[in-house]
Amino acid sequence: AAGVIQSPRHLIKEKRETATLKCYPIPRHDTVYWYQQGPGQDPQFLISFYEKMQSDKGSIPDRFSAQQFSDYHSELNMSSLELGDSALYFCASSLGQGANTGELFFGEGSRLTVL
Amino acid sequence: GESVGLHLPTLSVQEGDNSIINCAYSNSASDYFIWYKQESGKGPQFIIDIRSNMDKRQGQRVTVLLNKTVKHLSLQIAATQPGDSAVYFCAEKSLAGKSTFGDGTTLTVKP
Repeated sequence: AAGVIQSPRHLIKEKRETATLKCYPIPRHDTVYWYQQGPGQDPQFLISFYEKMQSDKGSIPDRFSAQQFSDYHSELNMSSLELGDSALYFCASSLGQGANTGELFFGEGSRLTVL
Repeated sequence: GESVGLHLPTLSVQEGDNSIINCAYSNSASDYFIWYKQESGKGPQFIIDIRSNMDKRQGQRVTVLLNKTVKHLSLQIAATQPGDSAVYFCAEKSLAGKSTFGDGTTLTVKP
């Protein structure tokens, strides 16, 4: 079965540079969530989109922005990168904001290293 | 080896024993409570969920218990296997769909 696809899997950037992460949800899933996970930490919710509209917002820095496109894929744009942005970034998807389940389907993550 | 009641950051059990992982949650308005398993370098993987109006749900080798009085969630794994070694997170789901993760517990299964 098709899973959530994230790209790139690994990314190395310098401080103050810009990075873009992409997420392709499971086919027919209309809701996408972005999480950031630092080493030894639990995943922290950043932002989510339902039917191409922002549905919820968490601890996403102002330097970050995201959007969901007409084909339901999503991109997380990160600017003025800081050392502290080094983390695993996970995308997850669900159908209809998970009305009848608690399950989110996670991708394998994008590892961002800021030097 | 089992632990009941308190959240522990690590838990070590013998292969074949039962494991109990505990979690405290904060938001009584959550409609689902979920357990995820995360292996090193991978994304969280759904194990089981329980709706807020239930107190017990069983899956294959796993049982989740929800105690709303004390805001406590537990995951019981029967006959723990080496492949169960991972970090386990509890999470609570809001009506908007996002899951808020709690502190993880690293489960180590000794052969």
